[in-house]
Amino acid sequence: SYALTQPPSVSVAPGQTAKIPCGGNNIGSKSVHWYQQKPGQAPVLVVFDDNNRPSGIPERFSGSNSGNTATLTISSVEAGDEADYYCQVWDITNDHLVFGTGTKVTVL
Amino acid sequence: EVQLVESGGGFVQPGGSLRLSCVLSGFTFSNYWIHWVRQVPGQGLVWVSRINLNGGTTGYADYVRGRFTISRDYAKNTLYLQMDSLRAEDTAIYYCVRGLTAVSYFDYWGQGTRVTVSS
Repeated sequence: SYALTQPPSVSVAPGQTAKIPCGGNNIGSKSVHWYQQKPGQAPVLVVFDDNNRPSGIPERFSGSNSGNTATLTISSVEAGDEADYYCQVWDITNDHLVFGTGTKVTVL
Repeated sequence: EVQLVESGGGFVQPGGSLRLSCVLSGFTFSNYWIHWVRQVPGQGLVWVSRINLNGGTTGYADYVRGRFTISRDYAKNTLYLQMDSLRAEDTAIYYCVRGLTAVSYFDYWGQGTRVTVSS
C-alpha cells in the first residue's frame, strides 16, 4: 500500500517559516491535501490540490509538490499555528485515501 | 451552513456491533461523497469508508471490508456506518467528512463520535 512519511515534529520560532515535508513514492504525480488539527478538535483543510487555499485560510499557508516530496509551508508563524498537520492523497492502486503520519508543529 | 453531526458511538465488547449516524445539512447532497475517517486518540488519521450520496456507490478500506457497511437514507438526510464483528483495534474517534469526489480532499468534518471496543 502507498505510504506517506512525515517527521514527527517541527519546531519554529514566532515570525519564522515552518516547512513540513510529506514523502511518498512519486508523490509529485498526485494531488496532495493538507489538514491542521488542534487538540480536541476535528481536522481543518488548509491546502488542497497541492497549493490551493480554502476560503478563510490565511495566505501564510502554502503548498508545493514535486518528485517524491510535498511540502506545506507556513510563513510568519503565529502561536495559533501550533497543531498537528497531516498530508493526504489518493492511492490509485488500492483505491484508498491515505493520510501521512502527521507532524506536530511547536511554536517556540 | 454546512454541518455534519455524528452520533451513535459508545462502548461495546469485542465481536459486538454498533451503528454510527451522521446527519447532514446545509448543502445539496447529490453533489458530494461522504466518508468516514477514524483516529485513535493520540495517533493519526485513517480512512475507513465512503459513499456517493447520489448513486450510493460505496468503498471500504481493506481492514473493515466485510465487517462495516456504509449506507444513506436520503429522506432523513442521514448517513450510517454499521459496524459488525468489532475488534479492539477499531477503538477510535470516527469522523463523518464531506468530499467533492470519491478521491478528493475533505472540506468539512463533523466533530466525531467515540467508539470503544473492550471486554
